[in-house]
Amino acid sequence: AQSVAQPEDQVNVAEGNPLTVKCTYSVSGNPYLFWYVQYPNRGLQFLLKYITGDNLVKGSYGFEAEFNKSQTSFHLKKPSALVSDSALYFCAVRDINDYKLSFGAGTTVTVRA
Amino acid sequence: EAGVAQSPRYKIIEKRQSVAFWCNPISGHATLYWYQQILGQGPKLLIQFQNNGVVDDSQLPKDRFSAERLKGVDSTLKIQPAKLEDSAVYLCASSRPGLANKEGTQYFGPGTRLLVL
Repeated sequence: AQSVAQPEDQVNVAEGNPLTVKCTYSVSGNPYLFWYVQYPNRGLQFLLKYITGDNLVKGSYGFEAEFNKSQTSFHLKKPSALVSDSALYFCAVRDINDYKLSFGAGTTVTVRA
Repeated sequence: EAGVAQSPRYKIIEKRQSVAFWCNPISGHATLYWYQQILGQGPKLLIQFQNNGVVDDSQLPKDRFSAERLKGVDSTLKIQPAKLEDSAVYLCASSRPGLANKEGTQYFGPGTRLLVL
């Protein structure tokens, strides 16, 4: 079985400050990891993924994520948050031997001006 | 490249009525997925198609939900009869061809928001 935990329902930061959204995962084998963002009344937009290689993955809109195998984590980061980053963020995992993508419950990010 | 298209965007029905949702995936994407997203939760996979064949429908409530992808492109998801607990956003996603492409990124449509009264 595979699962994702996003321990924070909400993250609030001031514009210009660093943003971190936490994610831990559980899979029986090796993981493929994804981050998606969802704006109000919109579908999920792909941000970035970890497949193999460098543990630091860079994605869209200045976001990056660090894969940590020993801590089974894949935290999303942005060095300087913008008000427009306010949205719902989902972490997802799939085992490389499975085709099913499992999502976390989501973290609402609010960036105040 | 055009994204995943879904219609309608919103639907309000009464319980015990039927409803259908339509999805057109990204051109060339052989794999298509339907997800149910209940408010406050992450998306949950209902069914996965590879071309016009079903790969996984283990979480589809088959007594009331059905889905088809007759020509390996467009897909429809139907609920009959609807229950109050079916109120959710129904998301369609697609990914590049071949189950061999295991790392394939899923791209999502805007979703259909269903309210059952």
